Amino acid sequence: GENVEQHPSTLSVQEGDSAVIKCTYSDSASNYFPWYKQELGKRPQLIIDIRSNVGEKKDQRIAVTLNKTAKHFSLHITETQPEDSAVYFCAATLNRDDKIIFGKGTRLHILP
Amino acid sequence: NAGVTQTPKFRVLKTGQSMTLLCAQDMNHEYMYWYRQDPGMGLRLIHYSVGEGTTAKGEVPDGYNVSRLKKQNFLLGLESAAPSQTSVYFCASSPVSGIWDTEAFFGQGTRLTVV
Repeated sequence: GENVEQHPSTLSVQEGDSAVIKCTYSDSASNYFPWYKQELGKRPQLIIDIRSNVGEKKDQRIAVTLNKTAKHFSLHITETQPEDSAVYFCAATLNRDDKIIFGKGTRLHILP
Repeated sequence: NAGVTQTPKFRVLKTGQSMTLLCAQDMNHEYMYWYRQDPGMGLRLIHYSVGEGTTAKGEVPDGYNVSRLKKQNFLLGLESAAPSQTSVYFCASSPVSGIWDTEAFFGQGTRLTVV
C-alpha cells in the first residue's frame, strides 16, 4: 500500500522567513496530494492541494510543488507569520486504494 | 451546515470497558474514515468505508470494529478498551474518491483516555 514519509518532524523559522516541508510517497499511481493544517486543539483542515497532472500550485503565501519522477512533493510558506504556527500534514491518495494516507506531520514554530 | 460531527468529545474509560464513537456527516459523502492521532505519530487510519454497508481495514485496525449502516453515520467501537487506545480520534468524510476531488473534512475529534 501507499506510504508517506514527511520531514522534518519539527521546524522553527524566524518570522518573515520561508518554511519548507517535504514529503515522499511510495506508490507511483498516487494522483492527489493535499496538505492539511492543524492548529492546537483543532481539527485538520485542507490548505492547498495538487493533482498529478500539475507540477506547481500557488495560493498567496503558500505553494506546493510535485516531482512525479522522484515521487516527492513539498509545501512552501513564504513571509511566515505567527498564525502559521501549527502542525502540517501531507497526504497522498490513489483511486484504487480509496484511502487517504497521511504523513506523520511537521510541527512548525514561527519565532518572533 | 454542520459538516462532520463526532460524539462524544471527551471520554474516560476503564480498562476492559466498551464504547462506541459516533460520526455523522451531512454532506452526502460516500467515503468516511476513522483516524487516531498520537503525539509524534500523525494521523493513522483505523478503518474506513467507501459507502453504506461497506467497511475496510486501515493501518491500525486491531482492537476496533466499525459499522456503516446508514450513509451519514460511521460508528467506531472498542469492545474491550486498553490503555494503548488512549488517543485523540478523528472522523473524516470525503466525496467519492476520484481523480479530482478527494478533500477530507474532519470532525472536531474525540479525546479518549483509558485508565
